[in-house]
Amino acid sequence: GDSVTQMEGPVTLSEEAFLTINCTYTATGYPSLFWYVQYPGEGLQLLLKATKADDKGSNKGFEATYRKETTSFHLEKGSVQVSDSAVYFCALPDTGRRALTFGSGTRLQVQP
Amino acid sequence: NAGVTQTPKFQVLKTGQSMTLQCAQDMNHEYMSWYRQDPGMGLRLIHYSVGAGITDQGEVPNGYNVSRSTTEDFPLRLLSAAPSQTSVYFCASSYSITSTDTQYFGPGTRLTVL
Repeated sequence: GDSVTQMEGPVTLSEEAFLTINCTYTATGYPSLFWYVQYPGEGLQLLLKATKADDKGSNKGFEATYRKETTSFHLEKGSVQVSDSAVYFCALPDTGRRALTFGSGTRLQVQP
Repeated sequence: NAGVTQTPKFQVLKTGQSMTLQCAQDMNHEYMSWYRQDPGMGLRLIHYSVGAGITDQGEVPNGYNVSRSTTEDFPLRLLSAAPSQTSVYFCASSYSITSTDTQYFGPGTRLTVL
């Protein structure tokens, strides 16, 4: 079945560093792709999404480009802040169950 | 709008006890679902519903029951709790079931089964 693989964390960066969190997927066709973020003690919230190949999703300084050639959707940010410390999940639709299939999550810790 | 609400936030049960995790949304969303979150495993789908009166099993349904009598509410029942059900539980909803739709998550219930 469809699946998502994320880089393992935790990722520890200093403030203003460049961030990349890798995400690759296995799926039939070209599904929509999502990044969700979970701040400490909270539920998940949508960070960004791309609905077709070659699209770029962006929000709050984060970007991810849907690359069908490499089946990837890596999350990037040019300058992270302490407030970006959270767990980031890559996901794609499980159309059979009408839900989301999530990666295992990557914890980001940003130090001042 | 309150969005998706869940109660309780924390719960400790003994093995064999039963309980219901509550979930409600005020966005008139047709689709609702329950996930559990375990370390290193992301979120896994337990049960979902595409509308009032319609429910179906997800990836890990054993030990859980659901019902959907109204559009707003989607409770999750543990009939006989087991330590393997120690987890964080999230309820989610979305307007439709299309693959591009955003899902909205509640704040979660942290359950410990002793």
